[in-house]
Amino acid sequence: EVQLVESGGGLVKPGGSLRLSCAASGFTFSSYSMNWVRQAPGKGLEWVSSISSSSSYIYYADSVKGRFTISRDNAKNSLYLQMNSLRAEDTAVYYCARVLWFGEKGFDYWGQGTLVTVSS
Amino acid sequence: AIQLTQSPSSLSASVGDRVTITCRASQGISSALAWYQQKPGKAPKLLIYDASSLESGVPSRFSGSGSGTDFTLTISSLQPEDFATYYCQQFNSYPQTFGGGTKVEIK
Repeated sequence: EVQLVESGGGLVKPGGSLRLSCAASGFTFSSYSMNWVRQAPGKGLEWVSSISSSSSYIYYADSVKGRFTISRDNAKNSLYLQMNSLRAEDTAVYYCARVLWFGEKGFDYWGQGTLVTVSS
Repeated sequence: AIQLTQSPSSLSASVGDRVTITCRASQGISSALAWYQQKPGKAPKLLIYDASSLESGVPSRFSGSGSGTDFTLTISSLQPEDFATYYCQQFNSYPQTFGGGTKVEIK
């Protein structure tokens, strides 16, 4: 069974840092591109970042570029999001999501999400 | 960035109704569009990819159509478990933007 489990969320002050993790199981993690998607309370979905299977290709939303860093460790079946210089508008549930095996056409598995709250 | 505009933002419908949701892209995206369903407190669920391909395990009452800039998600006969919020997402280019969502409520 495919499972994605996020962790690392919490309360952080503006300007602070946080590192999210996503532990993957039930599939060959090293074969899939992965993404982070966030959802502010009561709002819609926002794509945050994408990383290819071998980390060769990395993309960011303009809203997080220069502040967030996506990475992965295929040996540990884990995806990460390092978030620096956090702002109130970064408050959201952060989901990790797997790309369909045959290409960038949809996210077929999602984690349960981890809540990040940026507040003083 | 490519903007996706969904309409309506919300709708009320009854069980058994045919429901249509529209997603319009600010520029052509070929068929690089997916649709998701999200229920409160849950992660999104993939319904449709490549604009019209049904994801495995998704009921056949869901269908997608369109290409270029105009896309449609149709639920042929609304069921009680279909009351949720629906989002489109484009995969034509980065950033992979989402539409604003359409909330389907019980009439």
